[in-house]
This record gives sequence, C-alpha cells and structure tokens, in this order.
Amino acid sequence: DQQVKQNSPSLSVQEGRISILNCDYTNSMFDYFLWYKKYPAEGPTFLISISSIKDKNEDGRFTVFLNKSAKHLSLHIVPSQPGDSAVYFCAASGGSQGNLIFGKGTKLSVKP
Amino acid sequence: NAGVMQNPRHLVRRRGQEARLRCSPMKGHSHVYWYRQLPEEGLKFMVYLQKENIIDESGMPKERFSAEFPKEGPSILRIQQVVRGDSAAYFCASSPPGRLASNTGELFFGEGSRLTVL
Repeated sequence: DQQVKQNSPSLSVQEGRISILNCDYTNSMFDYFLWYKKYPAEGPTFLISISSIKDKNEDGRFTVFLNKSAKHLSLHIVPSQPGDSAVYFCAASGGSQGNLIFGKGTKLSVKP
Repeated sequence: NAGVMQNPRHLVRRRGQEARLRCSPMKGHSHVYWYRQLPEEGLKFMVYLQKENIIDESGMPKERFSAEFPKEGPSILRIQQVVRGDSAAYFCASSPPGRLASNTGELFFGEGSRLTVL
C-alpha cells in the first residue's frame, strides 16, 4: 500500500503561470516532507522541505504547503519557467523509518 | 566538493550474470541508502547502511540482492543471477553522521546506475 501518493502523473502549465503539484500521505507519523526534482538520466535533487510542525515553507519561487488534518501537501511554483520542466517527487520521512518514502512523481511541462 | 559518486553509470548484463553497483558517499557522510526506479515508477527504498552495518533492509528482495558498506571503500549493491525484471535505475544517496533522514529529511543523491539485462 502506497504511503505517499501523487495522483497526477503529469501537469502542463504556461510559462509565467503558477504550477501546483499535489501529494497525499497516509502515515500520520511522518514528520518531514520533501520535494525533489529530477531531470532525465540524472539523480533527484532536493528542492524544498517542510517539518510537520509547520504549515508553510517558502524559498524563492517555491512554496510548500502542509495540511496535516487532510494529510495533504502541495508545491507551488510561481512564476513557472521552462527550466522547471522535470519530474517532481514528493517524499516523506519519520516514524519508524530512517529512509525517505517517495511518491511516483508528477511530470511538469512548462510551455513557453 | 564531489557529490555522491556512482559507477558504472550504465551496465549491461545477460540473464544469469552478476551485477555490481558502487557508490561513494559525499565526503563526511557515513550513511548510505539505495533506491531503485523501475520504468515509469517512483523511487523504491531498498536498503539503508552505515559503515559496516545494515540498518534497514526492508526494501531488499529476499533473494539475489545484497548490499555492503565496508569500513574502507564504496558501498556495493550486488545482484546475483540477474533477470530482465532487474532492469532499472539504481540510485544511491548519502547523509551525514548523526543526521538520519527522519531528523532532517534531505538525502543527497548520485546520478544513478542504469542496469539493462538482456
């Protein structure tokens, strides 16, 4: 059973607009949530994270929102740029696990 | 400042052969994690190691797969008697000592090793 779910396999956005990527989780013991970005044939690179004691974390164009009651988090990218086109993975850690649990990813395409 | 180094980047094996994938963590990191990405899938946790210790191998297949992280040298993921279903990208990640993923979240990933089984 998937503990971290990204239900949208792909998202297409116009350059300059907002990209919103969503992620749901089932384990209430998770205490850190992260977003990674991945280009083809490269390793994932860390983008932004949020602790479970917060509901928002912002870093430049990237903001992550956490709704613990709904077990939902989202990544907002504003404004979106063509270079943001990549696969975005949501991940969670905590509880009895010492590793990260990843979702299946959402492929973002930002069109000029 | 070298990042996580994985080699080989690409490996081709015939069914029944052995595959060995190597991972050198970032300087100062003593925790290593191996993940597998099957085509069109996310990253699946396989094993978490510290120097000379396997901490969590709950994601490792029960047979043919093994991992080690010796006192000296890189971590090695070994797949014996490979089958076509082992074809995937294998990613290694590392983190510093005392900073488990559950405390800070961030792992530093390598570029991956792509295994193709003919």
